[in-house]
Amino acid sequence: DQQVKQNSPSLSVQEGRISILNCDYTNSMFDYFLWYKKYPAEGPTFLISISSIKDKNEDGRFTVFLNKSAKHLSLHIVPSQPGDSAVYFCAANNAGNMLTFGGGTRLMVKP
Amino acid sequence: KAGVTQTPRYLIKTRGQQVTLSCSPISGHRSVSWYQQTPGQGLQFLFEYFSETQRNKGNFPGRFSGRQFSNSRSEMNVSTLELGDSALYLCASSQDYKIYTFGSGTRLTVV
Repeated sequence: DQQVKQNSPSLSVQEGRISILNCDYTNSMFDYFLWYKKYPAEGPTFLISISSIKDKNEDGRFTVFLNKSAKHLSLHIVPSQPGDSAVYFCAANNAGNMLTFGGGTRLMVKP
Repeated sequence: KAGVTQTPRYLIKTRGQQVTLSCSPISGHRSVSWYQQTPGQGLQFLFEYFSETQRNKGNFPGRFSGRQFSNSRSEMNVSTLELGDSALYLCASSQDYKIYTFGSGTRLTVV
């Protein structure tokens, strides 16, 4: 069973606009969530994270929102830039020692 | 501070052979995890080591094994290679067991 899902395989956004990437999870034991950015043939790069005791975390252009009751998190990128074009993965940690990843969303930011 | 270093970057092996991949974590990080990325299955957890002990293992056959040395460096081994083992193998290290920093990966091609 897929415990972390990213239902949109791709997203296209105009430069300067907001990008919203979504992620749903099923395991209520997850207590820490992360977003990674990935280019082909490279490892994921950590972007931002959020603890389950918070509902929002901001870092520059990136904001992550967590809705625990809906088991949903989202990543907002404002303003979007062409350099943001990549595959974005959400991941969840359940106080253990492994990350469970979603399937990824390919973001394309058009100039 | 040096990042997570994985060697080699690329490997081509023949079916039935075995392969060993190496990972040097960030200095001070004692937890090292391995992940497999394939187009069909996404990013999947293989195993995690801490203080030379495997603490967690993903759902992979026994052909996949690993170990960690006293300096926290880790190796993973895949025996009797199959075509389906072709993937990007990623190593990640962590200091706080929440945020994981990934290496650039080893691209393994089995022919």
